[in-house]
Amino acid sequence: SQQGEEDPQALSIQEGENATMNCSYKTSINNLQWYRQNSGRGLVHLILIRSNEREKHSGRLRVTLDTSKKSSSLLITASRAADTASYFCATDQAGTALIFGKGTTLSVSS
Amino acid sequence: DSGVTQTPKHLITATGQRVTLRCSPRSGDLSVYWYQQSLDQGLQFLIQYYNGEERAKGNILERFSAQQFPDLHSELNLSSLELGDSALYFCASSVGLAGAAETQYFGPGTRLTVL
Repeated sequence: SQQGEEDPQALSIQEGENATMNCSYKTSINNLQWYRQNSGRGLVHLILIRSNEREKHSGRLRVTLDTSKKSSSLLITASRAADTASYFCATDQAGTALIFGKGTTLSVSS
Repeated sequence: DSGVTQTPKHLITATGQRVTLRCSPRSGDLSVYWYQQSLDQGLQFLIQYYNGEERAKGNILERFSAQQFPDLHSELNLSSLELGDSALYFCASSVGLAGAAETQYFGPGTRLTVL
């Protein structure tokens, strides 16, 4: 079962623009993670944000978490062609399992 | 390169057959996780092992089984294969057993095609 749902399903932007992806989830969480997947390859961890944190930064990435709205957003600033990938949010459920959403497919054109 | 290795990269087999997928975690990681990724189901957590013992179970079918060996590598066994088992199977590893509370490092995956 999917815990997180990303929005939009697909996003196309030009290089240099910002990309924002949203994730909504259904039940209370302790942690939320964002992962990137290049076509058909393994997932790469981007950021982990805990339920007592509101915002976290890593390079060009900014993640926010609003536990009252059960939502998170991932902002990629100054996008590059190399950012083209699928982005997944993943939340915890009953402790150890990571439950992934269906992902947002980002396409950055030059 | 995450440091997690998976073999084989591709596997093509027939319905009713049995296959074994292998995973070696990053050096020092004690937890291994198995995930299945398909177009219709997305990324599904299957099972977690920590230091040789099963720790958590997800949507793993009874036809599937896994184990983690003393050297910490893990194997996922899929039997009585059906067409719907065609998917990408990922292994991930992490340092502890916190699962969703820590970074998981994913391998490149094994693409299974059942004909």
